[in-house]
Amino acid sequence: AQSVTQPDIHITVSEGASLELRCNYSYGATPYLFWYVQSPGQGLQLLLKYFSGDTLVQGIKGFEAEFKRSQSSFNLRKPSVHWSDAAEYFCAVGAGDYKLSFGAGTTVTVRA
Amino acid sequence: SAVISQKPSRDICQRGTSLTIQCQVDSQVTMMFWYRQQPGQSLTLIATANQGSEATYESGFVIDKFPISRPNLTFSTLTVSNMSPEDSSIYLCSVRKGTGQETQYFGPGTRLLVL
Repeated sequence: AQSVTQPDIHITVSEGASLELRCNYSYGATPYLFWYVQSPGQGLQLLLKYFSGDTLVQGIKGFEAEFKRSQSSFNLRKPSVHWSDAAEYFCAVGAGDYKLSFGAGTTVTVRA
Repeated sequence: SAVISQKPSRDICQRGTSLTIQCQVDSQVTMMFWYRQQPGQSLTLIATANQGSEATYESGFVIDKFPISRPNLTFSTLTVSNMSPEDSSIYLCSVRKGTGQETQYFGPGTRLLVL
């Protein structure tokens, strides 16, 4: 079965600074990888996804993620954070049965 | 993508009672999923609901506690039965869409507090 680790429980970043959220997965084959964001009191919104091809994927809200097979990682990045990016971010891995396994999540706080 | 709505958005219930959560999607989908997100936790899959067949439950979840209906391709319900305070969670439905790059899209969630 697949699994996901998000090593950072909480990250604080200054507005305008860059952000990188780490995600490591465990799966025997090529995984489907996703990043979702959950703002306070909201559901999950899909930021981006990787299925195959170009290992650098662009998403909404200025986010990008890079799939590195050798490191079993799918880290999320944003060059310049806005206050509205304060939220919880979940990395998820999917397999052939279309079930998703989620990481524990990383809470991002943005300070002025 | 998909537009998904859930009812109710939140509720406060007494222990021992049951609550039925509705999930409506704006287009026909084959696969719908129900997740639980306990306070401060990540998402855990409860079951997969396919139209025309019984729901498939994950380990630790049983039909008597979480009965699911899937009467058509745009609608599903999840019932939380005989509730206890441990059932206080956010319950989210999701749908799988896409061809070749199947992706799950999530509803806004139902926030349940059991007293």
